[in-house]
Amino acid sequence: DSGVTQTPKHLITATGQRVTLRCSPRSGDLSVYWYQQSLDQGLQFLIQYYNGEERAKGNILERFSAQQFPDLHSELNLSSLELGDSALYFCASSAGTSGYTGELFFGEGSRLTVL
Amino acid sequence: EDKVVQSPLSLVVHEGDTVTLNCSYEVTNFRSLLWYKQEKKAPTFLFMLTSSGIEKKSGRLSSILDKKELFSILNITATQTGDSAVYLCAVNNAGNMLTFGGGTRLMVKP
Repeated sequence: DSGVTQTPKHLITATGQRVTLRCSPRSGDLSVYWYQQSLDQGLQFLIQYYNGEERAKGNILERFSAQQFPDLHSELNLSSLELGDSALYFCASSAGTSGYTGELFFGEGSRLTVL
Repeated sequence: EDKVVQSPLSLVVHEGDTVTLNCSYEVTNFRSLLWYKQEKKAPTFLFMLTSSGIEKKSGRLSSILDKKELFSILNITATQTGDSAVYLCAVNNAGNMLTFGGGTRLMVKP
């Protein structure tokens, strides 16, 4: 158990809909990362937050947005869903201080299926 | 754009065999290289490498980094069926952003 909690574990929805994925980082970790893993793309970095502020942005679509709240949990919002958004979405956390080179701790992921 | 390439894409071996997984990378402001094992869901951390030539070892697994040639290898000796997984290599840049390779799928047959 990494200490990172993600909900829901599974989600099935229709095209055009909007969903919210939630992540609680390990106790004490200030950085939260979101990754998308689909069969043909591997793990793709979406976005990073550090202590409530956006720190880095990867290949995140404009239809997607995220935020990190004062209690450090994070939400990833996916809207106008398309079939191609079906994937496993991982949240990871780290201490994330400046100059940190260490590992990320991954949650179990949220599997999104868009029908 | 940071890039990580892993080879082979997949590998099938028998228990007791030794395997070598490869990871090459291109990254601006390199900080570290990490190896993860992904069995069913969440990737789990194996090693972090920051210096060239220093082998990291954990049981039957070991890894080494070559910062001049920009690659790393992960060795697994005396493989067991429990080693079957996808092995992911990732590089950490100055922005604390991990870029992952596509992974190597290892299957160990009894």
